Amino acid sequence: ETGVTQTPRHLVMGMTNKKSLKCEQHLGHNAMYWYKQSAKKPLELMFVYNFKEQTENNSVPSRFSPECPNSSHLFLHLHTLQPEDSALYLCASSQGPSGGSGDTQYFGPGTRLTVL
Amino acid sequence: DAKTTQPPSMDCAEGRAANLPCNHSTISGNEYVYWYRQIHSQGPQYIIHGLKNNETNEMASLIITEDRKSSTLILPHATLRDTAVYYCIVTRGGSEKLVFGKGTKLTVNP
Repeated sequence: ETGVTQTPRHLVMGMTNKKSLKCEQHLGHNAMYWYKQSAKKPLELMFVYNFKEQTENNSVPSRFSPECPNSSHLFLHLHTLQPEDSALYLCASSQGPSGGSGDTQYFGPGTRLTVL
Repeated sequence: DAKTTQPPSMDCAEGRAANLPCNHSTISGNEYVYWYRQIHSQGPQYIIHGLKNNETNEMASLIITEDRKSSTLILPHATLRDTAVYYCIVTRGGSEKLVFGKGTKLTVNP
């Protein structure tokens, strides 16, 4: 238990569906992240939020739309996805820019997404 | 690209120490060495990190060479549950993204 929860843990959706992934952190952190891990590939950063503001978008297609209503919650809205978007989507949180002694990111368990 | 180099796989006998090496010859003075592990299809788990000095916590020890160009993660008494992919990452922190390489697949054998 890392203090970062993600729901749902598994999701199957069609290419025309709209769904959302939710992440919540109970660590009092100020930074939140979305990562994607495709089969047999390293984790790739998608988005970074610091104090609710998006500070990094790693050239992610617009069919992925993040939302950060407050420092504890992060969403990833999905629409018109492709089968190649099937992957493990991981949320992480950290203290953020003010973190000292490094800034450890703590990961949630992930959402396994399958796009049919 | 990842700034670290790790062997793709290692084996260890249960109860013995597992020593996982990592090369980071281009590390900058303000970059930390972090270790995470990922058990199949789960989120990465933070293990330990350090800047210059050796570090120890309840999970592992981290030995960083004096020139900081390499490090070793030590699991003192490996168990079957330590079977995982171990990632060595160099980062400045401060919400800088973590760049994961391919890591080392550690298999602990009974």
